[in-house]
Amino acid sequence: ETGVTQSPTHLIKTRGQQVTLRCSSQSGHNTVSWYQQALGQGPQFIFQYYREEENGRGNFPPRFSGLQFPNYSSELNVNALELDDSALYLCASSLDRTEQYFGPGTRLTVT
Amino acid sequence: QQQVKQSPQSLIVQKGGISIINCAYENTAFDYFPWYQQFPGKGPALLIAIRPDVSEKKEGRFTISFNKSAKQFSLHIMDSQPGDSATYFCAARNNNAGNMLTFGGGTRLMVKP
Repeated sequence: ETGVTQSPTHLIKTRGQQVTLRCSSQSGHNTVSWYQQALGQGPQFIFQYYREEENGRGNFPPRFSGLQFPNYSSELNVNALELDDSALYLCASSLDRTEQYFGPGTRLTVT
Repeated sequence: QQQVKQSPQSLIVQKGGISIINCAYENTAFDYFPWYQQFPGKGPALLIAIRPDVSEKKEGRFTISFNKSAKQFSLHIMDSQPGDSATYFCAARNNNAGNMLTFGGGTRLMVKP
């Protein structure tokens, strides 16, 4: 059984640029949630996709958007990057919105 | 209403001792309470979870105690080991809000040999 994988591992972007982060869910899982974890803090919920539809959204602006594909993998897109977007971005997968299993994260640095 | 408050922020325990981490919540819509363990540079790993109709759940050295009336829950790590040194997060799920998890601020646990 393959766990949750994320790419890339690290990324450095300049303020104003756009970024796409990718997540492959655990085998058999149909739900993907994205979280932002600032240094020294708990993860903050961005949004969730269930069977390719957005199923809920946290308190993040519209420049944070996402997609889920038919194979249940997912992308997180962030436009107009700001310095405060620097964080660890975590993807979690689950089956039918139950227990969430996290990937290793993508460390985004915005300069 | 969505907050989960976690304490202490940091904890130092001797090897073999009991580590206790506490969390409190306000939102009665929360219906599932997992604990996650996170090592530096890694994603959170699901440790143990409880639902509000159960007052205690034990898995190996890890026990969750849940007090529904007080809206509090805690993680007890028995016979703490240096390998348990990590950051622990409590969380709560709101099934009415996209199944989102709301996390506490984390507790950095150090177990001294």
